[in-house]
Amino acid sequence: DIQMTQSPSSLSASVGDRVTITCRASRSVSGSLNWYQHKPGKAPRLLIFSASSLQSGVPSRFSGSGSGTDFTLTISSLQPEDFATYYCQQSYSNIRTFGQGTKVEIK
Amino acid sequence: QAQLQESGPELVRPSETLSLTCTVSGGSIGSYYWTWIRQPPGQTLEWIGYIFYNGNTNYNPSLKSRVTMSVDTSKNQFSLNLSSATAVDTAVYFCARQSLLATPGAFDLWGQGTLVTVSS
Repeated sequence: DIQMTQSPSSLSASVGDRVTITCRASRSVSGSLNWYQHKPGKAPRLLIFSASSLQSGVPSRFSGSGSGTDFTLTISSLQPEDFATYYCQQSYSNIRTFGQGTKVEIK
Repeated sequence: QAQLQESGPELVRPSETLSLTCTVSGGSIGSYYWTWIRQPPGQTLEWIGYIFYNGNTNYNPSLKSRVTMSVDTSKNQFSLNLSSATAVDTAVYFCARQSLLATPGAFDLWGQGTLVTVSS
């Protein structure tokens, strides 16, 4: 299986901050990398697919970049509703795998 | 706007079969990969597998020997059976939709999840 490693596992930030989360794959996944936002008790939400494509309805402050093994999710200006846990997921292999998650907390 | 809703027992006895159903409302069950994903307490998300609307399946090898998925297009539902359940199967179970074309390989629609506890 392809292992996905996110960093950091948690971070504290203030409203308006620029936040960057990284995801590293154990081997190349080309551009087949997706990002999700998850709040407790809610359905996870797709933010970014194919490494850099913004899902319909997702605010433009979210962006993704990277290819191969190294990827980044950036929130350009953190908003109160963005406090959540973020997961990366590879769709290169037939066995889909997720990162361990990054919890974004209020500073 | 399509929605997904999981249903099934919240408590399963060890060695019994964990059974869940996902109902698709507001949309068609055709032309998508219908997926089950779980999250044990304090752990990350684990992909269980998917069933295509025509019945083709793909399961995670780590669970393949115990997993069966089915689809009922007449009811717009798909289901998960996980046999010989043990405590390690305790998790929040999500159903999700994987698009073929629009968002390739990504899960663009999820249910809220249902906590299933395996305990005597």
